[in-house]
Amino acid sequence: NAGVTQTPKFQVLKTGQSMTLQCAQDMNHEYMSWYRQDPGMGLRLIHYSVGAGITDQGEVPNGYNVSRSTTEDFPLRLLSAAPSQTSVYFCASSYSGGGNSPLHFGNGTRLTVT
Amino acid sequence: RKEVEQDPGPFNVPEGATVAFNCTYSNSASQSFFWYRQDCRKEPKLLMSVYSSGNEDGRFTAQLNRASQYISLLIRDSKLSDSATYLCVVDYVNNQAGTALIFGKGTTLSVSS
Repeated sequence: NAGVTQTPKFQVLKTGQSMTLQCAQDMNHEYMSWYRQDPGMGLRLIHYSVGAGITDQGEVPNGYNVSRSTTEDFPLRLLSAAPSQTSVYFCASSYSGGGNSPLHFGNGTRLTVT
Repeated sequence: RKEVEQDPGPFNVPEGATVAFNCTYSNSASQSFFWYRQDCRKEPKLLMSVYSSGNEDGRFTAQLNRASQYISLLIRDSKLSDSATYLCVVDYVNNQAGTALIFGKGTTLSVSS
């Protein structure tokens, strides 16, 4: 199993550009989530999904869209990138939501918006 | 409001020391609690779950106090390899869309020889 795969690993965008961060897992996990990590701020939840077709906002959802059309994939879309979105983004999945099973993280995507 | 607060770091200790981290959470409905470890520029990884009765895994002991809404992690006989950031994680229940895991900002531990 590959686990949780995030692409790309690094990305530089100009303000106003759009892009999609990809996240895929091959563990048949129902729960998937996106976090961003900034210095001094820890990991903050952007969006999460408890199954295909179900998504909800986390702590910092503004500027990001998600969809969950399949169990395996949970892409994160930035419609109009802003410098404030410069961060490290982690995708994570677990067998079930909440605390019933541990989160498995991808390796992260380091995004810089200039 | 979803909030998980941790001890401010960094903690700098010599090898062999015992060190303890505390974490408080604001949501009294939270049911699940964890400690994750994150090495520099790496993804977080589960260190241990925290159970109501307290639990131990080798040199690591986790405790939960529901009445005071705090969680602790005790590391005995610190090793150089324990140097990392330790993240307190608590679930947040949203009845409409299931639960989510909320992370504290982390406490950095540096163990020196």
